[in-house]
Amino acid sequence: GAVVSQHPSWVICKSGTSVKIECRSLDFQATTMFWYRQFPKQSLMLMATSNEGSKATYEQGVEKDKFLINHASLTLSTLTVTSAHPEDSSFYICSARNTGTGNQPQHFGDGTRLSIL
Amino acid sequence: GEDVEQSLFLSVREGDSSVINCTYTDSSSTYLYWYKQEPGAGLQLLTYIFSNMDMKQDQRLTVLLNKKDKHLSLRIADTQTGDSAIYFCAETMDSNYQLIWGAGTKLIIKP
Repeated sequence: GAVVSQHPSWVICKSGTSVKIECRSLDFQATTMFWYRQFPKQSLMLMATSNEGSKATYEQGVEKDKFLINHASLTLSTLTVTSAHPEDSSFYICSARNTGTGNQPQHFGDGTRLSIL
Repeated sequence: GEDVEQSLFLSVREGDSSVINCTYTDSSSTYLYWYKQEPGAGLQLLTYIFSNMDMKQDQRLTVLLNKKDKHLSLRIADTQTGDSAIYFCAETMDSNYQLIWGAGTKLIIKP
């Protein structure tokens, strides 16, 4: 149980392109999903918290117009990197928490490796 | 602010036990987690422990929590080559369950 699917796993595109990454909870409902960015050999950096039916909460220094988040259902959140540039190249990982009561740990997708040429 | 620290590397021989350590600074932590990340992959939740527990065991994994010293450890018995990965320690404190991450410990298995 507690499977999170992230798609695509790898994308290469030209500078200026917008890229959408999907995060789906397959066997549970997730009111809250999280988007992270991971640089090589570093830990995860939280970008934003995605809340179903409301606006995402962005961490300090993360441009909300650059990284658009939509969480329209209890099983799907999307991250769109708009007008991507080489400095946006990174490993992006999402996680989801079960809506149930009590402690529900975050379960992670397999990540998306984004390379901007 | 909150801080979670881990050593960056641990090298053990195949078949030995691995002990990965983690220290944290905020005594109001509610849950502490261990995640595993293999190269190029996402994170896999290995186990977690509530802050009022001292120990949790799950097959080859044993988690020990010393709340007084704010020290968390993960012991992997009979370490195998498939255990090679980066292990992240994380804690949560607030209702959003945002995770505060350690830098990760790379576990290297020697034959």
